[in-house]
Amino acid sequence: AQSVTQLGSHVSVSEGALVLLRCNYSSSVPPYLFWYVQYPNQGLQLLLKYTTGATLVKGINGFEAEFKKSETSFHLTKPSAHMSDAAEYFCAVSDPPWEGGGNKLTFGTGTQLKVEL
Amino acid sequence: DGGITQSPKYLFRKEGQNVTLSCEQNLNHDAMYWYRQDPGQGLRLIYYSQIVNDFQKGDIAEGYSVSREKKESFPLTVTSAQKNPTAFYLCASSPGQGAKETQYFGPGTRLLVL
Repeated sequence: AQSVTQLGSHVSVSEGALVLLRCNYSSSVPPYLFWYVQYPNQGLQLLLKYTTGATLVKGINGFEAEFKKSETSFHLTKPSAHMSDAAEYFCAVSDPPWEGGGNKLTFGTGTQLKVEL
Repeated sequence: DGGITQSPKYLFRKEGQNVTLSCEQNLNHDAMYWYRQDPGQGLRLIYYSQIVNDFQKGDIAEGYSVSREKKESFPLTVTSAQKNPTAFYLCASSPGQGAKETQYFGPGTRLLVL
C-alpha cells in the first residue's frame, strides 16, 4: 500500500527565507505526486503535480518541487517566503494505472507553515 | 463561475441522528470524492464515485453512506453508526478517472456533535 511521510508537522521560517517542506513516499513504481495547500477552514488547492517528464515541477505562487526517484522524495521549495504563504501543506500520491491505483489519492499528515516577520 | 459547493458550512448532530452533507459541482466532472480531515491525520477517503449510479468504499466507509443519482451531486450521509463523526468533511471532483487527474476541492463542512 502507498504511504506518504511529511517530516515536520510544523515548520517556521522568517519572511524572505527559503521554504523547504519535505515529502517522502513509498511505492514499488514511481507514482504520480501532488502538493496541495489549505488555508484555515477552507478546501485544498493544487500547488503543483508531477506525472511524467521533467522532474522539476513549477507551480503557483512561486513554489516548485523536484521528483527524486533514488530518494523517493518530492520536496516542496520556495526561494523567498511571504506572509501569505502561511498555511497547511499536504503531499499526496496516486498509483499509476498499471498498479491499479485508479484515481485514489493517499495524503500525508500535513505540514503547517508559519512565516514570521 | 464553475466550482464545487458544499453545504452547510457548519452542521450539528445529535446523538442517534443521521445527517446529510451536500456536495454539488458544475464543472461537468465525472468523478467525485468524500474525505474526512482530522487534526494531525491528513485526509482520509470515505467514498468515491467514478460515474453516475456507481460508487466505491474508501478507507473509512463504515458509518457513512452516499448516492450518485446525478452527475453534479454526491451527498454524504453520516449515520448514527458513526460513533466519532466530529471532523471537517471535504468533497472533491476530478474530470476523469485517471491517476493523473487533479482533484478539485470544495470549501468543506465542519460537523460537530451536540
